[in-house]
This record gives sequence, C-alpha cells and structure tokens, in this order.
Amino acid sequence: KAGVTQTPRYLIKTRGQQVTLSCSPISGHRSVSWYQQTPGQGLQFLFEYFSETQRNKGNFPGRFSGRQFSNSRSEMNVSTLELGDSALYLCASSLGNSGATDTQYFGPGTRLTVL
Amino acid sequence: GIQVEQSPPDLILQEGANSTLRCNFSDSVNNLQWFHQNPWGQLINLFYIPSGTKQNGRLSATTVATERYSLLYISSSQTTDSGVYFCAVGENDMRFGAGTRLTVKP
Repeated sequence: KAGVTQTPRYLIKTRGQQVTLSCSPISGHRSVSWYQQTPGQGLQFLFEYFSETQRNKGNFPGRFSGRQFSNSRSEMNVSTLELGDSALYLCASSLGNSGATDTQYFGPGTRLTVL
Repeated sequence: GIQVEQSPPDLILQEGANSTLRCNFSDSVNNLQWFHQNPWGQLINLFYIPSGTKQNGRLSATTVATERYSLLYISSSQTTDSGVYFCAVGENDMRFGAGTRLTVKP
C-alpha cells in the first residue's frame, strides 16, 4: 500500500498570502489529522477529520482551516500568512475513527516558509 | 490539557549501547504512541501502547498507565537509530512531548 502523501513538499510564500496544503491518506483510512511542527513549539495538533466532519480542533486561530473530501483526502488552508506560520506541516492518517485511539501513519510533511 | 514530559532531552551513545527513554504524562489516557522522526523529518510509528509491554526487534516499550509513564528501550543501538523520539498521548487529540534527540556514533 502506498503511504500518506502530502503536496507540495516545499512552499515559499510572503506575508498576507494564503496557502492550501493537500494530504492523501493511506487507502482505506478515513481519519486524517494535521499537525504543525516548529522548533519553538514542537508538534502541535491542528485538527482532525473523519468522514468529512471535523472531529477535533487544536488551539489555533481561525486563519487555519481544513476540510475532508468524500475520498478521505484532506486539505488545510492558512489565510493571511504570518512569519510565525513558517513550519513543517504534517498529516497523519489512521484506520479507525480517531488518530487518538488508533495507530497514526504520518506523511513526509510540507515545509512552509513565510517571507 | 494533558502535559507530556520526555527525558532525557538529548542522548549520545556509542554504537552497540543500550538506552532507555522515558515519557511521563499528567493525566490518565487510553492511548499512547511512540514515534521516531528521522533526520529528514519523517515520523515513523514505533508502538501503539496504551498499556503493557510490546517488542519489535531491538525496540521494546512498556506503559504503566496507572503510574502515568511509558518507557522505550533501544538495545544494541545502530547509527540508523539516530533522530528524535516522541511519545504522544491523547483522548480526543494527540499531545506530543518535546522529544528525546538520540545520536548514535559509530
């Protein structure tokens, strides 16, 4: 089976722009979670989707949003980018209805740089 | 929210040595996972271990949920074991510790 894929792998944007990141889970997995990783804050949970519904959301401003499609693929969007949004954005999929109660499999990440 | 503390923050070993990494968490959880992040940033799931002991090759893990800690054992370490080891716990969302950075020297 193919693993979790994320596109693009690298992205450079300027402040004020918006960005959309994509995640394709492992075939058959229906739960997708997103995380932000920075040197200062470490790995932080953004949100989780299951069956096209957001199940949980982390403590991030409303500029961060996401969605899941009927084929379980997920996208996250960050609007009005700030310098502090520079990070590695990781997506994880799991077979069950929540990554918090099932083994999570991570994609390679999208490295976003905001100038 | 749940607090997750990992120790030690950094560990340097000679190839062939054994090591123990610790994860303490502040509240009861039904889920705990260990991950390895390689130098290229890829996170690999090592164990899903809310309680008990599991072994996979040179790695094993033990979680004592009643005492709120988990241990990851690495035996006969190899240079490819280098990277950052994270534990994560959660009920509705996963909380990650700050990680243990392991360097294995040849």
